[in-house]
Amino acid sequence: ETGVTQTPRHLVMGMTNKKSLKCEQHLGHNAMYWYKQSAKKPLELMFVYNFKEQTENNSVPSRFSPECPNSSHLFLHLHTLQPEDSALYLCASSQEGVTSNNEKLFFGSGTQLSVL
Amino acid sequence: QKEVEQNSGPLSVPEGAIASLNCTYSDRGSQSFFWYRQYSGKSPELIMFIYSNGDKEDGRFTAQLNKASQYVSLLIRDSQPSDSATYLCAVKVWKLTFGQGTILTVHP
Repeated sequence: ETGVTQTPRHLVMGMTNKKSLKCEQHLGHNAMYWYKQSAKKPLELMFVYNFKEQTENNSVPSRFSPECPNSSHLFLHLHTLQPEDSALYLCASSQEGVTSNNEKLFFGSGTQLSVL
Repeated sequence: QKEVEQNSGPLSVPEGAIASLNCTYSDRGSQSFFWYRQYSGKSPELIMFIYSNGDKEDGRFTAQLNKASQYVSLLIRDSQPSDSATYLCAVKVWKLTFGQGTILTVHP
């Protein structure tokens, strides 16, 4: 258990659905992240919240919408997704944050998303 | 050229051998370097980090950094079947960039 909890573990949705992924960290960390992991591709950074302020939006399509209501919770709202969005979505947190060279990430267990 | 490059493998080594995993990076301004291990069906976990040229040892793991040649490697001594996993190299310049990972299989 890394101290970063993600729900749900698995999600199947149609292209017209709206769903949300939830992440909670119990580590008192200052930064939270969403990453996308697809087969045979490197981890892709999607969004970063550093001290609750969004500091990164890595050219992510608007059908993905992040929300960070406080330093412990992070959401990823999904709507009108495409089949190519099927992937493992990982939440992570770090104490040091994006401005530090010592940026160590603690990952949640991920949500395996399938878009039909 | 990819920012962080790893041989995807799979790398297969016998139990008890030394496994050597390599990573090259393109940005000479890279400041810090991390190795994450990801078991099948699990999320990545940090196992090593290194900032300075040379070697850093932690138990059976040694990270080696050569900034002049722009590579970082991870050595696993006395490899065990439980070391079988994908190893991700990550490099920090202004943001953390991951390689695609090397699959390691340790066979009994």
